[in-house]
Amino acid sequence: QVQLQESGPGLVKPSETLSLTCTVSGGSVSSGSYYWSWIRQPPGKGLEWIGYIYYSGSTNYNPSLKSRVTISVDTSKNQFSLKLSSVTAADTAVYYCAREDFRGDWFDPWGQGTLVTVSS
Amino acid sequence: EIVLTQSPGTLSLSPGERATLSCRASQSVSSSYLAWYQQKPGQAPRLLIYGASSRATGIPDRFSGSGSGTDFTLTISRLEPEDFAVYYCQQSGRTFGQGTKVEIK
Repeated sequence: QVQLQESGPGLVKPSETLSLTCTVSGGSVSSGSYYWSWIRQPPGKGLEWIGYIYYSGSTNYNPSLKSRVTISVDTSKNQFSLKLSSVTAADTAVYYCAREDFRGDWFDPWGQGTLVTVSS
Repeated sequence: EIVLTQSPGTLSLSPGERATLSCRASQSVSSSYLAWYQQKPGQAPRLLIYGASSRATGIPDRFSGSGSGTDFTLTISRLEPEDFAVYYCQQSGRTFGQGTKVEIK
């Protein structure tokens, strides 16, 4: 079964760039039936979709974050990555990667999530 | 942007009772594009229902989804101890409801 695992620094300074990687196992990011997404959840709050990438490299971002977000894919490593620039304390959250199914845009499975704190 | 509003915010019930959770959309949503998730503390969300009424792999049949248009419902027929959690609905615009917490009464 497909599993996703996030990795990256847990602490980022304000104004710097948050960088995370999601490694996919048990399946391929090159599968044509799925998008590969990033979703975040501030502590004690709800879920916010950040964006997705297709294996071809095409992307779609949340308009509220679009100016700061870059998602990329490395099919040779079976990974996709998130960069969020100019971070502030408001970007402190658990960041999840997830697979999105074409058939109805649902997310399954999810990675376990990684907490990123923005603080000096 | 379609806004999803979940109600109630918190549902206090006892094990064995029936839970009915509501998700209302600000505009009509295709049933194919409505999903429900369960999230327990410290864990990632888990897909329960997709396409408004189809159970995801491994989800017990006490979970069921229904609805169309702007009104959708997640029903847990008899609450088990492991069902006490937060539940989110989500639509194809990749927006989520704010969640309903099902807590032990």
